[in-house]
Amino acid sequence: DQQVKQNSPSLSVQEGRISILNCDYTNSMFDYFLWYKKYPAEGPTFLISISSIKDKNEDGRFTVFLNKSAKHLSLHIVPSQPGDSAVYFCAASADAGGTSYGKLTFGQGTILTVHP
Amino acid sequence: DAGVTQSPTHLIKTRGQQVTLRCSPKSGHDTVSWYQQALGQGPQFIFQYYEEEERQRGNFPDRFSGHQFPNYSSELNVNALLLGDSALYLCASSLANRDNEQYFGPGTRLTVT
Repeated sequence: DQQVKQNSPSLSVQEGRISILNCDYTNSMFDYFLWYKKYPAEGPTFLISISSIKDKNEDGRFTVFLNKSAKHLSLHIVPSQPGDSAVYFCAASADAGGTSYGKLTFGQGTILTVHP
Repeated sequence: DAGVTQSPTHLIKTRGQQVTLRCSPKSGHDTVSWYQQALGQGPQFIFQYYEEEERQRGNFPDRFSGHQFPNYSSELNVNALLLGDSALYLCASSLANRDNEQYFGPGTRLTVT
């Protein structure tokens, strides 16, 4: 039962262009969403998050969009840089009040490659 | 500011053996969660510890158990190892009242032969 899905295993983008990573979820109880980036031999690093009361959140080059009716979120990276090449995971939890007791449900990940 | 640390980095065990993995949380954090990441998959939640007690558990058998110490560090124990337990085990720390914001360690790579 894959409640969070990243249907694109990989994405290749030219430096300077936009990278768009997508994520779908099925559990309507999810109300807080996060994106993590993972380099080889390192743990996932938190990038950006969004609560279900918002539809957009920006942090520098990273913007996350949430479409609750479609149960879909996306991460936009503009402009993309070679250092952004990594595996990106979306994750969701069922309580935005900070009491979800730590259960993040992750997607399978998307490998982003940014070419110089 | 020390981040999340885990030991050992790599471990090779034989089927049926037992293993203990260790985690020290980020400075100031009081909550530790454990995840299993199989090859090509996203991390899967095992359980979370707060105030030295298991606060929530994912869909893992009782062979997986844990402990949290008064200094907030934690251990993950796996008994009767199976080949399918081979994975990267990730520890994440957070503050109890903001446990959506989790900071991950580099993980322990467990190989069961």
